[in-house]
Amino acid sequence: QVQLVQSGAEVKKPGASVTVSCETSGYTFTSHYIHWVRQAPGQGLVWMGIINPGGGFTTYARNFQGRVTLTRDTSTATVYMQLSSLRSDDTAVYYCARDSEVLRDGGIYEFWGQGTLVIVSS
Amino acid sequence: SYVLTQPPSVSVDPGKTARITCGGNDMETKSVHWYKQVPGQAPVLVTYYNSARPSGIPERFSGSNSGSTATLTISRVEAGDEADYFCQVWDSSSDWVFGGGTKLTVL
Repeated sequence: QVQLVQSGAEVKKPGASVTVSCETSGYTFTSHYIHWVRQAPGQGLVWMGIINPGGGFTTYARNFQGRVTLTRDTSTATVYMQLSSLRSDDTAVYYCARDSEVLRDGGIYEFWGQGTLVIVSS
Repeated sequence: SYVLTQPPSVSVDPGKTARITCGGNDMETKSVHWYKQVPGQAPVLVTYYNSARPSGIPERFSGSNSGSTATLTISRVEAGDEADYFCQVWDSSSDWVFGGGTKLTVL
């Protein structure tokens, strides 16, 4: 069965960087794009970016350009999200989600990671 | 940037029909996806491409998109349907965008 398992909660100081991992299994890793979505406490969902695990190509949301980097390791079927220059308003749950379309960005998230809480506090 | 507008809350009696709307410019030209999120859990896809339903989602959940508004309709509402619901579309000015969410309360 398809699974996305994310790394554990993080506490970071303002200005630091955080890396969240998303280990996938149960399907062909290179066939489905992975998206990242975050949710601040009590707030809605915000799209951050997408990675094509096959070629490593990425697209980032304008609001995160220059601060977010998505990478992948095909040997472990894992995608990484790094967010730099952290601010207090980056405190949120970060989700990875698999696109249901094959080799296409359909924005359809049938499978999600469990979420990773990142707290930014001095 | 593109904005999707949802009502903050909708209340419905058990067994009745709930309708959650999602408005935006040129909505009729867009494909809308809907997610259900119980607090503390990851979202769950309930409909996609306006009206398609993933396997495992009850037929009580249906989606439509016409005019300037997309609608998620939940028939014969049950207590377990109580959750936050988010719509999602793609727009060239903003990439993937989510609505602000609607809290469905089952009375």
